Amino acid sequence: KNEVEQSPQNLTAQEGEFITINCSYSVGISALHWLQQHPGGGIVSLFMLSSGKKKHGRLIATINIQEKHSSLHITASHPRDSAVYICAFTSAYFGNEKLTFGTGTRLTIIP
Amino acid sequence: DTGVSQDPRHKITKRGQNVTFRCDPISEHNRLYWYRQTLGQGPEFLTYFQNEAQLEKSRLLSDRFSAERPKGSFSTLEIQRTEQGDSAMYLCASSFTTGHTGNTIYFGEGSWLTVV
Repeated sequence: KNEVEQSPQNLTAQEGEFITINCSYSVGISALHWLQQHPGGGIVSLFMLSSGKKKHGRLIATINIQEKHSSLHITASHPRDSAVYICAFTSAYFGNEKLTFGTGTRLTIIP
Repeated sequence: DTGVSQDPRHKITKRGQNVTFRCDPISEHNRLYWYRQTLGQGPEFLTYFQNEAQLEKSRLLSDRFSAERPKGSFSTLEIQRTEQGDSAMYLCASSFTTGHTGNTIYFGEGSWLTVV
């Protein structure tokens, strides 16, 4: 069983729709990262959070430490949001900063 | 600051050849990571450095793989006697850590390797 699971694997939505991507993990973590990967490979860090909620523009990330669950929300989705969204965590063990990644959610926003 | 840069971006090589990838992290970032990503999968950890010291290596990093960061700045990842299973994207990332976990990590664009 993977230590981090994402759902859905693929998501297609109309422009303007509210998008939710879920991430569940099974180990103690120090931080949960949401990342965006466009075709061609480059990965951009969207959020890093260890508790509560963060917002940046139309993106919102939440985490529930007790339930070991995080969500990424996109409001008023736009075709340029089409990408693969990956959740990843850094372990709770001090000094261990390597990321363990989920397999990603491929989001396609149709105009 | 130009971000994390990787070279080459794409490499096609014949099975059995050696290849080397270079990563230039964001200046003054003391941590540098290498990950490997195959199609449809999330990246997998290979190794990381703090300054010039290689602190951890994944079991994925067989003896054909070697990584260095000789002066604590750029890093190289060499694959000897390449195999078709080595075909993947090799991602480099860097961060500045003060000893607390959970620092923002910056990724390069990746180096695509195709072994034919």
